[in-house]
Amino acid sequence: DVKVTQSSRYLVKRTGEKVFLECVQDMDHENMFWYRQDPGLGLRLIYFSYDVKMKEKGDIPEGYSVSREKKERFSLILESASTNQTSMYLCASSNAGGPNEQFFGPGTRLTVL
Amino acid sequence: AQKVTQAQTEISVVEKEDVTLDCVYETRDTTYYLFWYKQPPSGELVFLIRRNSFDEQNEISGRYSWNFQKSTSSFNFTITASQVVDSAVYFCALSEDTGGGNKLTFGTGTQLKVEL
Repeated sequence: DVKVTQSSRYLVKRTGEKVFLECVQDMDHENMFWYRQDPGLGLRLIYFSYDVKMKEKGDIPEGYSVSREKKERFSLILESASTNQTSMYLCASSNAGGPNEQFFGPGTRLTVL
Repeated sequence: AQKVTQAQTEISVVEKEDVTLDCVYETRDTTYYLFWYKQPPSGELVFLIRRNSFDEQNEISGRYSWNFQKSTSSFNFTITASQVVDSAVYFCALSEDTGGGNKLTFGTGTQLKVEL
């Protein structure tokens, strides 16, 4: 059974903290993605990676960075968390090649106080 | 720039009714791909279908059917004889035929509630 797992389902952090969200996939996928989901806004792409150590900005990269040191793991980093980063964060992965189905993790609901 | 519009924020139906979820897209590309995903209350998005811009054939999968019309830039999704288990948020998404990355642009989603 293919899987994308995320380190936490729920996370509460304080303003100014450095936050790490981890995502691991077991499908040997080349592409990995981080989205945030907010009511009325749908899913918005933060960053994506199409290979180890490669990354590209999505539509809303400000305030975030990413790391991909191994093929199966893609980390989202909030350098200094702010209240407007309270959101649901979704990780996904897909095979390389033509636009392929993305497989999603269960999401991390982050609250920044 | 790409854009996906799902004008219906929320739809409520009674079980066994048919329901259509609308999706309108904008793109300048001649080659593109359209997707539908389901997000049940558990939160994990589930892939339903992918359609490329050269294939305008409608598709049926059990109680689900999709109507792709390039002339109106629409890719609508119909559930026949809806069931309570169909209650979820449904997202339409668009992808350019890029060399790498395969980014998706999502619509804002339609919350479907199916009641007994």
